[in-house]
Amino acid sequence: EDQVTQSPEALRLQEGESSSLNCSYTVSGLRGLFWYRQDPGKGPEFLFTLYSAGEEKEKERLKATLTKKESFLHITAPKPEDSATYLCAVQAVYGGSQGNLIFGKGTKLSVKP
Amino acid sequence: GAVVSQHPSWVICKSGTSVKIECRSLDFQATTMFWYRQFPKQSLMLMATSNEGSKATYEQGVEKDKFLINHASLTLSTLTVTSAHPEDSSFYICSARDSHFSEQYFGPGTRLTVT
Repeated sequence: EDQVTQSPEALRLQEGESSSLNCSYTVSGLRGLFWYRQDPGKGPEFLFTLYSAGEEKEKERLKATLTKKESFLHITAPKPEDSATYLCAVQAVYGGSQGNLIFGKGTKLSVKP
Repeated sequence: GAVVSQHPSWVICKSGTSVKIECRSLDFQATTMFWYRQFPKQSLMLMATSNEGSKATYEQGVEKDKFLINHASLTLSTLTVTSAHPEDSSFYICSARDSHFSEQYFGPGTRLTVT
């Protein structure tokens, strides 16, 4: 069964304290892995798509990496405005014609000034 | 990035009435649109997938007669919650993509409260 597990569930950091969020996945065949940011009461905001092991993408203080079993979202010198829930999702090659996303439960990040 | 809008952003209705939520892709043509439901402190739960001009495909456990989905054009999908009850109160989010293998973009969500 295709599955996505994110850890930790919650992470509290001081401003400037770098850390990483983990997304472990099992999927019959990976089409793509997606990272989203979700603020309270809002829809998810697209961050990155990763397609193959070894791929990396960066955006401001965020860097996403991918291996054959997991993805990391590295946050360098975070600021309070980075506080949000970060969602990981995978799209399976063999997930039917719709290619639906399979979401993890998310990591809630809090950055204190 | 691509923009998806939803209307209304929040709605309060009385038990037994129907509510329609609109989802629009503003700057691209959405061949596929998705409707999700999210409970507090939980992740997104896919309700149904719709392709333009076709009937929606509902996930197991989602009542198709209660949650009516119409994807009449490449930029508009609607979700109608019929005969709403308090247990239907939730955060409903739509998303859209322009091809099978492209990124999926989400709307801002609609908060439905049924009294």
